[in-house]
Amino acid sequence: NAGVMQNPRHLVRRRGQEARLRCSPMKGHSHVYWYRQLPEEGLKFMVYLQKENIIDESGMPKERFSAEFPKEGPSILRIQQVVRGDSAAYFCASSGTGLSYEQYFGPGTRLTVT
Amino acid sequence: AQTVTQSQPEMSVQEAETVTLSCTYDTSESDYYLFWYKQPPSRQMILVIRQEAYKQQNATENRFSVNFQKAAKSFSLKISDSQLGDAAMYFCAYRRVGNQFYFGTGTSLTVIP
Repeated sequence: NAGVMQNPRHLVRRRGQEARLRCSPMKGHSHVYWYRQLPEEGLKFMVYLQKENIIDESGMPKERFSAEFPKEGPSILRIQQVVRGDSAAYFCASSGTGLSYEQYFGPGTRLTVT
Repeated sequence: AQTVTQSQPEMSVQEAETVTLSCTYDTSESDYYLFWYKQPPSRQMILVIRQEAYKQQNATENRFSVNFQKAAKSFSLKISDSQLGDAAMYFCAYRRVGNQFYFGTGTSLTVIP
């Protein structure tokens, strides 16, 4: 059973470009979470999605950021018109339904904005 | 709202010694799960241990154990016989019935040879 997959692992974008980060949850998992981690800092929750639904986006910046988890295919975190402050590691996690299920994390995508 | 607090940004321990990392949380719910995750320099998040809120017995996984005090809303992690490979950032996490997770800000553990 493959773990949580994220791609790309490293992404370099110039200021003003768009960044698309992909996350394929573990097989059978219907809950996806996105986190951002700045250097030497903790995880900051961004958004929690189920298939075709955004459940909690309280951690998402109001502008330029969006996320989706379509019926088919991976979850996508999209950052439009990137700025230097968007440079960070972005982690995706998935879980099954039920309290006992922990989150399984992907390896992260390291975004660098030049 | 649920919050998770890790009051120790950094901790250090001598190799082979024991260290305890603290975590407190705030909730009005009675049914939930608690987790400790480890993030080594590779950045991969790894589950260390979990605790069910309705179980009074503290969870144990080899050298890792927790001290779960439900009334005090405290969930500390004890690492015994510390090894160099234990050096990492440790995150405490709370999962509620609505499938939402809340993470603490992390404790950076250094193991001194």
